[in-house]
Amino acid sequence: DQQVKQNSPSLSVQEGRISILNCDYTNSMFDYFLWYKKYPAEGPTFLISISSIKDKNEDGRFTVFLNKSAKHLSLHIVPSQPGDSAVYFCAASVGGNAGKSTFGDGTTLTVKP
Amino acid sequence: DTAVSQTPKYLVTQMGNDKSIKCEQNLGHDTMYWYKQDSKKFLKIMFSYNNKELIINETVPNRFSPKSPDKAHLNLHINSLELGDSAVYFCASSPGTRKRETQYFGPGTRLLVL
Repeated sequence: DQQVKQNSPSLSVQEGRISILNCDYTNSMFDYFLWYKKYPAEGPTFLISISSIKDKNEDGRFTVFLNKSAKHLSLHIVPSQPGDSAVYFCAASVGGNAGKSTFGDGTTLTVKP
Repeated sequence: DTAVSQTPKYLVTQMGNDKSIKCEQNLGHDTMYWYKQDSKKFLKIMFSYNNKELIINETVPNRFSPKSPDKAHLNLHINSLELGDSAVYFCASSPGTRKRETQYFGPGTRLLVL
């Protein structure tokens, strides 16, 4: 039973447009959420996080939105760049314990020039 | 300098063999982890060590044995390899055990058991 799901295996976007990656979770105890970015043959790298006390967190071109009632979070990338092409993982945890994060299965983003 | 490194990057071996994967971090972190990324692409925690002490041990077959000779290294030894062990194994580290710490991942070791 996967508690964190990314229902879109892939997403293709034109350079300069907005990329929206989605993530759903089932465990209402999750209170800390993260997005990681992964290039081929590399490990995931931390991108942005959000605590359940917020509904939005912004860092440059990246914004994460959290809808607790819907148990849904999304990552917005504006404007998208070809270098953003990667696999994006969302992760969730209770209390922000890094070793207890539950990961989604990733969405492959392709940004076309 | 690579922050978290793993060796080997690729490992192809026969069923029943014993193999080890090594991990080293030069970030001065106290906590290290092993994750398994299965065929469905989910990353799942296997073990975590803090200052050479085991702090997380998820439901993993006892054929898997982590070893931490010092806090900069966390190796994974796998006995009697099975087909289902084929996966990508990621090592990671974080500064300590406080909440909301960022984890830093290695590049992964792609294990294929034939």
